[in-house]
Amino acid sequence: SAVISQKPSRDICQRGTSLTIQCQVDSQVTMMFWYRQQPGQSLTLIATANQGSEATYESGFVIDKFPISRPNLTFSTLTVSNMSPEDSSIYLCSVEELRGVIGELFFGEGSRLTVL
Amino acid sequence: AQSVTQLDSHVSVSEGTPVLLRCNYSSSYSPSLFWYVQHPNKGLQLLLKYTSAATLVKGINGFEAEFKKSETSFHLTKPSAHMSDAAEYFCVVSEISMEYGNKLVFGAGTILRVKS
Repeated sequence: SAVISQKPSRDICQRGTSLTIQCQVDSQVTMMFWYRQQPGQSLTLIATANQGSEATYESGFVIDKFPISRPNLTFSTLTVSNMSPEDSSIYLCSVEELRGVIGELFFGEGSRLTVL
Repeated sequence: AQSVTQLDSHVSVSEGTPVLLRCNYSSSYSPSLFWYVQHPNKGLQLLLKYTSAATLVKGINGFEAEFKKSETSFHLTKPSAHMSDAAEYFCVVSEISMEYGNKLVFGAGTILRVKS
């Protein structure tokens, strides 16, 4: 199964700043996703990171707020822009393997952001 | 569109007693169903998956789940709880449709507490 590394694992940020989260996978994967898990809540899909093209965003999420890059099959970044305390969440990178079961995801350990 | 309802937000059991975490789903198509576990400050880990093969699915750490189409349920069980099972559990439905493509929907989660 894919091994996913996310950086940073946690950070405390000031209001109005931006932070980029990196996701590195140890094997080539078809799909990469970014999820948000707000305190005490379930996971919400932010977007699908597409290699070499713009990410596909879910309703309620926009590129200006959450720009995403995916330059190759094993790496993606998510930026949380102009942060406010409402952005305090765990952000999770997940992947679907090239020859895996559709819908079976592997997750990084998450990046826990606290915005002051 | 599909949806997932986890009937209990919290479940508390004594060590050595059975575990039952309930999940009902709604899907217009033939779904794949998953259970994920999230230990504190960790990413999500796949426990087990149903993908239209055997209706009784065995997963890791002694967990299993039974797909019951007539009841639209996919409850997670374990005969004997261990202290290390204390975590949050997410039921997830995945379906591929012409309208939505491949969509994953997470349940709200059930926090399992194991008492010694």
